[in-house]
Amino acid sequence: GAGVSQSPSNKVTEKGKDVELRCDPISGHTALYWYRQSLGQGLEFLIYFQGNSAPDKSGLPSDRFSAERTGGSVSTLTIQRTQQEDSAVYLCASSLSPTGRATDTQYFGPGTRLTVL
Amino acid sequence: GEDVEQSLFLSVREGDSSVINCTYTDSSSTYLYWYKQEPGAGLQLLTYIFSNMDMKQDQRLTVLLNKKDKHLSLRIADTQTGDSAIYFCAESYFPSTGGGNKLTFGTGTQLKVEL
Repeated sequence: GAGVSQSPSNKVTEKGKDVELRCDPISGHTALYWYRQSLGQGLEFLIYFQGNSAPDKSGLPSDRFSAERTGGSVSTLTIQRTQQEDSAVYLCASSLSPTGRATDTQYFGPGTRLTVL
Repeated sequence: GEDVEQSLFLSVREGDSSVINCTYTDSSSTYLYWYKQEPGAGLQLLTYIFSNMDMKQDQRLTVLLNKKDKHLSLRIADTQTGDSAIYFCAESYFPSTGGGNKLTFGTGTQLKVEL
């Protein structure tokens, strides 16, 4: 079956612009996670969705970052007024369990490489 | 807060064993994971170990956990060129805030397998 897909695969934008990154999780997966991979900070958790709600947003670095999930499926991560330090690979992962059990494998997408000029 | 550390690089010859090490600081970690990342690809879960276990073996992979020293290792037997990738260890404490299973990753170890 299809894995986690993300779009676009690459995004180049100018400082100050808004960007939207999309994640299509595996069908039927109720848990969805966003992570960021950057040279300076490594791999960091951003936000967790359980269905359409986000009970853990503790990793979002600033109020310029927001995310939503609709229909228990597709999720969009929005970065407003992008800064150069936002340049990173944004990874999405989904897992089957609605409660995020520890043994549920998180399946990762290929990521979106964001470059802010 | 949590902190997970790994050495940055490891080079081995094809056929040898590789040992990738990881140290973590959060003693409340419930599960510890090893992920593999190949160029241009997402993260692939290789294996995980529950914090009350000492060892787990899965084909060519052996995970050792020393909970007292907070040290985790991944041994790859008979390393092949296809094993060249970045390997991340990760820890989680379940349930975390909101009930999810957010992962805290190490810095990653780049494994290079030479012929």
